[in-house]
Amino acid sequence: SQTIHQWPATLVQPVGSPLSLECTVEGTSNPNLYWYRQAAGRGLQLLFYSVGIGQISSEVPQNLSASRPQDRQFILSSKKLLLSDSGFYLCAWREQREVSPLHFGNGTRLTVT
Amino acid sequence: GEDVEQSLFLSVREGDSSVINCTYTDSSSTYLYWYKQEPGAGLQLLTYIFSNMDMKQDQRLTVLLNKKDKHLSLRIADTQTGDSAIYFCAEKSGGYNKLIFGAGTRLAVHP
Repeated sequence: SQTIHQWPATLVQPVGSPLSLECTVEGTSNPNLYWYRQAAGRGLQLLFYSVGIGQISSEVPQNLSASRPQDRQFILSSKKLLLSDSGFYLCAWREQREVSPLHFGNGTRLTVT
Repeated sequence: GEDVEQSLFLSVREGDSSVINCTYTDSSSTYLYWYKQEPGAGLQLLTYIFSNMDMKQDQRLTVLLNKKDKHLSLRIADTQTGDSAIYFCAEKSGGYNKLIFGAGTRLAVHP
């Protein structure tokens, strides 16, 4: 069966520090991969998605970036965090077929101080 | 552009039915989804419906789709305290490999 791993679960970082969140998927190949952010009390905002290795689509311009160095690995990064980057970050995957739903990881709670 | 809207809060008594509503704008949406999020956790898929269906029932869950009005609803029968969570509606826009989510409806179940 397929599983998705996202880490760390919680992170407290000072303003201006770098960020690296990692997500891996097991049990499937060539998945679509996604990074969402959920601000406190708000809905989900799609940040990046990828349909293949090295292919990244950015939905919202910001100081975050994403990379997909391997088929089942998706990384969210920042060179310098802002206070406004605080939130709950969710990685998700789906198969590349019409009906496939999104499957989410357990999320990373990021607090920028 | 695509947009999904939901009411933000719903409070029901334990044992009653809950109805969570959602409206979407993309008429080319092929699939619509309902997800559940418990505190501090990721989103869990509850159910989905194809756009050529009017209704889908899965145990205590009933999904109704009015494609003409672009209105989706989730009915939870015999609501329990364990159903307390945030419920998200999402649409899959045609031609895009992504889901657009609503802001979520917080369901509170009280005795």
